[in-house]
Amino acid sequence: DAGVIQSPRHEVTEMGQEVTLRCKPISGHDYLFWYRQTMMRGLELLIYFNNNVPIDDSGMPEDRFSAKMPNASFSTLKIQPSEPRDSAVYFCASTTGPGTQYFGPGTRLTVL
Amino acid sequence: KNEVEQSPQNLTAQEGEFITINCSYSVGISALHWLQQHPGGGIVSLFMLSSGKKKHGRLIATINIQEKHSSLHITASHPRDSAVYICAAPNTGNQFYFGTGTSLTVIP
Repeated sequence: DAGVIQSPRHEVTEMGQEVTLRCKPISGHDYLFWYRQTMMRGLELLIYFNNNVPIDDSGMPEDRFSAKMPNASFSTLKIQPSEPRDSAVYFCASTTGPGTQYFGPGTRLTVL
Repeated sequence: KNEVEQSPQNLTAQEGEFITINCSYSVGISALHWLQQHPGGGIVSLFMLSSGKKKHGRLIATINIQEKHSSLHITASHPRDSAVYICAAPNTGNQFYFGTGTSLTVIP
């Protein structure tokens, strides 16, 4: 299996632009997590899905952030409009049940 | 106060030394995770444990539920063990609390 796939790996954009991050979980995994990592705050859980349904989005910082999972093999995290403070590494992870999580390589987002 | 506290924040060891990283948590948890983040940024899940001890190669993780404490041990440390180790505690509602990480450097 290819593992969790994220794209793009790096994204540089200007403040105010829309940013879409993509994640393909491992086939057969029914949980998908979006995390954000910054130097100041470390790792934070943003939202997670179970069977494509958002279960807990309490970590989503504000309405500018939205996440979808239209099917079992694809999820997006969108920021609109982006701000410099959104600069971070965004990780996607998947798992089956409450087990070991498999992380993607991350997307490094820089908002200028 | 952080829900998950790790110590030490930074650790330098000589190759071959026995290493211990500690994690204390204040939330009720379903299980505790140990993650390893390589210098290149990738994250690997090392252990998930809800009781007792788990071993994988030179890595050992223990947890004491009553004391709300977990330790990660590395035996015969090697420079390739250099990484940031993160303790993560999901509560029963699956809200994750992360420690700030322990940066380990193993010197040859």
